[in-house]
Amino acid sequence: QSALTQPRSVSGSPGQSVTISCTGTSSDVGGYNYVSWYQQHPGKAPKLMIYDVTKRPSGVPDRFSGSKSGNTASLTISGLQAEDEADYYCCSFADSNSYVFGTGTGVTVL
Amino acid sequence: EVQLVESGGDLVQPGGSLRLSCTASGLTVSSDYMSWVRQAPGKGLEWVSVLYAGGSTYYADSVKGRFTISRDNSRNTLFLQMNTLTAEDTAVYYCARGGGAYCGNDCYRTFDYWGQGTLVTVSS
Repeated sequence: QSALTQPRSVSGSPGQSVTISCTGTSSDVGGYNYVSWYQQHPGKAPKLMIYDVTKRPSGVPDRFSGSKSGNTASLTISGLQAEDEADYYCCSFADSNSYVFGTGTGVTVL
Repeated sequence: EVQLVESGGDLVQPGGSLRLSCTASGLTVSSDYMSWVRQAPGKGLEWVSVLYAGGSTYYADSVKGRFTISRDNSRNTLFLQMNTLTAEDTAVYYCARGGGAYCGNDCYRTFDYWGQGTLVTVSS
């Protein structure tokens, strides 16, 4: 159950797009279409942003989108806004009815 | 509105035990999937355990054999009994709804509601 690999940080100017990758194995990301993404502001609980690779919960802006290819999932934030500055974690269902989270990516809005 | 409130976090010595509680409102713990997720200081999220509505339980390898997830249906409360604690167990522990497959025409898996967390510190 090794953590999924994410870049440590990404940054962009307001209005730009950023993409965060999340790389796992065939035992997690590549084997199941159950990848979710969570946003976490400092000192706060995580918030669900994307589930089942591409689905957005009600209330999450449509500038957040998800995708997957092979063992790598991605979260794209289009039209970056100041309030998007936070840590983002991917999570995948994995073998043996377990879950594995990513290492986390800090998004900075320049 | 769903609310999850964790309690029970404390300072405990290595080798000690602690029981965390998560009291739920707006959902029924006994008929849902409920999980624990932890976050060590300055580190990432780590899934710990899930309890299915039907009673099945699953654990991360790092806690298997030491932690036990359970619930009290009458109190609508989820628990995490933690034994043989080490410094590596120091973390904020979050209770979250989810961890199983919700199936209708499709199935989906999420952790969609989270508590605010309770801090467990293991230190002498």
